[in-house]
Amino acid sequence: GESVGLHLPTLSVQEGDNSIINCAYSNSASDYFIWYKQESGKGPQFIIDIRSNMDKRQGQRVTVLLNKTVKHLSLQIAATQPGDSAVYFCAENYQNPGNQFYFGTGTSLTVIP
Amino acid sequence: NAGVTQTPKFQVLKTGQSMTLQCAQDMNHEYMSWYRQDPGMGLRLIHYSVGAGITDQGEVPNGYNVSRSTTEDFPLRLLSAAPSQTSVYFCASSYSQGFYEQYFGPGTRLTVT
Repeated sequence: GESVGLHLPTLSVQEGDNSIINCAYSNSASDYFIWYKQESGKGPQFIIDIRSNMDKRQGQRVTVLLNKTVKHLSLQIAATQPGDSAVYFCAENYQNPGNQFYFGTGTSLTVIP
Repeated sequence: NAGVTQTPKFQVLKTGQSMTLQCAQDMNHEYMSWYRQDPGMGLRLIHYSVGAGITDQGEVPNGYNVSRSTTEDFPLRLLSAAPSQTSVYFCASSYSQGFYEQYFGPGTRLTVT
């Protein structure tokens, strides 16, 4: 299968600062990407998605950037809050049988009050 | 609307025992899937279903069986548990294959001794 990796396993930020979480993907045919948030003891929660025909997509306090040239995805969280503390991971998908997503291992974000 | 529900939340098995992890969704989603999550690894797809009566293997299907008799339910069966199956299991559903987010259940933490 394809690998989806994250540059940093942990990230600590001060409350109110912006956070940037990075993800590298290896399959140039991947055409759909999702960022998930996972709090301790819970299932992954959808944050934002982006299709390969876009470079940027914004949500509430979050922005996803896609750089297809270097196969890189990033999640930006504005004005990080303590409730943002969680593990964040990206998932990639291409038109394969079964709609299989390939998930990264995750970055643990800790927000310091 | 409960979303995706899973039972049990925790389970301890002895090697060789069998059990069924239950998964149900009330969103009328066609696509359902089972993942396992292990430390240091991304979520990995075990089995998936694109509709009632249709199932197929994912990345790591060995040791697991599934069936899909209704749109709502997608149980995962371990026929003869092994310590290598110690993991956290997540069920997910989505409207269909393709560019659709997956909704995850809260997970089942399984320990095989």
